[in-house]
Amino acid sequence: DGGITQSPKYLFRKEGQNVTLSCEQNLNHDAMYWYRQDPGQGLRLIYYSQIVNDFQKGDIAEGYSVSREKKESFPLTVTSAQKNPTAFYLCASSIRKTSGSYEQYFGPGTRLTVT
Amino acid sequence: QQQVKQSPQSLIVQKGGISIINCAYENTAFDYFPWYQQFPGKGPALLIAIRPDVSEKKEGRFTISFNKSAKQFSLHIMDSQPGDSATYFCAAPELLSNTGKLIFGQGTTLQVKP
Repeated sequence: DGGITQSPKYLFRKEGQNVTLSCEQNLNHDAMYWYRQDPGQGLRLIYYSQIVNDFQKGDIAEGYSVSREKKESFPLTVTSAQKNPTAFYLCASSIRKTSGSYEQYFGPGTRLTVT
Repeated sequence: QQQVKQSPQSLIVQKGGISIINCAYENTAFDYFPWYQQFPGKGPALLIAIRPDVSEKKEGRFTISFNKSAKQFSLHIMDSQPGDSATYFCAAPELLSNTGKLIFGQGTTLQVKP
């Protein structure tokens, strides 16, 4: 099955600890993205990567870090510097269609709770 | 900053009715308008998308209407069913960007009553 997997589905951490969220895709997509979603809110972009070994900050990158060592993988680390880390985290990847537009697909998400 | 404004924030429709969600964008360079459907606790799923060279696209009970002059596009759900109850997001690609980044609307929570 082709798709995007995120693990774990639920994650609990104590305040002050760093935590890494996994995102893997087997769609052969070049671009990958991390979003944060708070209850009743829209999607806010944290980081994105268009190619291996390159990534860019999104709108809310402070307190987060990423790496892109492989095309298939784009892990997100939520550091202790992130003031309000409890949220639903979504990974996505995209492919450029022959029309020139990008189609973006999402993983199932990881719900992070920090206490 | 580019924006996509979505309305209404929430919507209640009776089973069998038509659900209509609207989005307005600010820049004519947008060239692709997808809609996503998200169920609670799940990731958004690409529902339907339209390019501005057509005014309407229909897939089953879901139709996107596009009004280029008004800079608006809308999602119509015909014969709405309780299983359609979800949050819907419109989106548009970031202007002058070759990154695939999307600008999302704030979302509309749809409840279809049986």
